[in-house]
Amino acid sequence: RKEVEQDPGPFNVPEGATVAFNCTYSNSASQSFFWYRQDCRKEPKLLMSVYSSGNEDGRFTAQLNRASQYISLLIRDSKLSDSATYLCVVNMRSDYKLSFGAGTTVTVRA
Amino acid sequence: DAMVIQNPRYQVTQFGKPVTLSCSQTLNHNVMYWYQQKSSQAPKLLFHYYDKDFNNEADTPDNFQSRRPNTSFCFLDIRSPGLGDAAMYLCATSRDPAGMNTEAFFGQGTRLTVV
Repeated sequence: RKEVEQDPGPFNVPEGATVAFNCTYSNSASQSFFWYRQDCRKEPKLLMSVYSSGNEDGRFTAQLNRASQYISLLIRDSKLSDSATYLCVVNMRSDYKLSFGAGTTVTVRA
Repeated sequence: DAMVIQNPRYQVTQFGKPVTLSCSQTLNHNVMYWYQQKSSQAPKLLFHYYDKDFNNEADTPDNFQSRRPNTSFCFLDIRSPGLGDAAMYLCATSRDPAGMNTEAFFGQGTRLTVV
């Protein structure tokens, strides 16, 4: 079983729509969670950290469910510029290793 | 402004010819990572350093080596590149994650082509 799994998508949504997707992780000892955004042929960039209580950053909301071992990302009022691949990243603090999911592709159409 | 810098951005090398990719950081972070990313795949961790402590992933081929001469620099050496090593190589850093959530900062990557 992969350490971090994501629905690859693609999620094709119209501008203004809400889109949400999850990421599951296998190691219950995982400590830190992040969503990164990666544009085509570019490096990943941090979108947001995911905190236990859930957190929001503008149109983006992240949630963590430790019991079921998944994190989620919700994008409200989608913009064309939100089209990207969203990578789920999990860190086990004990070994400093960051494990990536394969990414969920989101395409926002006009 | 760039905090993690990778050189070169694009590298073409011949099959079997050793190649070195470099990464430097101005963040003074303890941890440096090298990832390999192929098209439509997750970045795959090759190895990471915590300060000078080197951690090799079990499935990283022996063909890949790394050096970290000081806090700021880290190198990825591919001793005999094969066609299957063509990929984007990403360097990342993070500060000591022992305390709280700490994200990783990525360089722009080096896209390696093997001919």
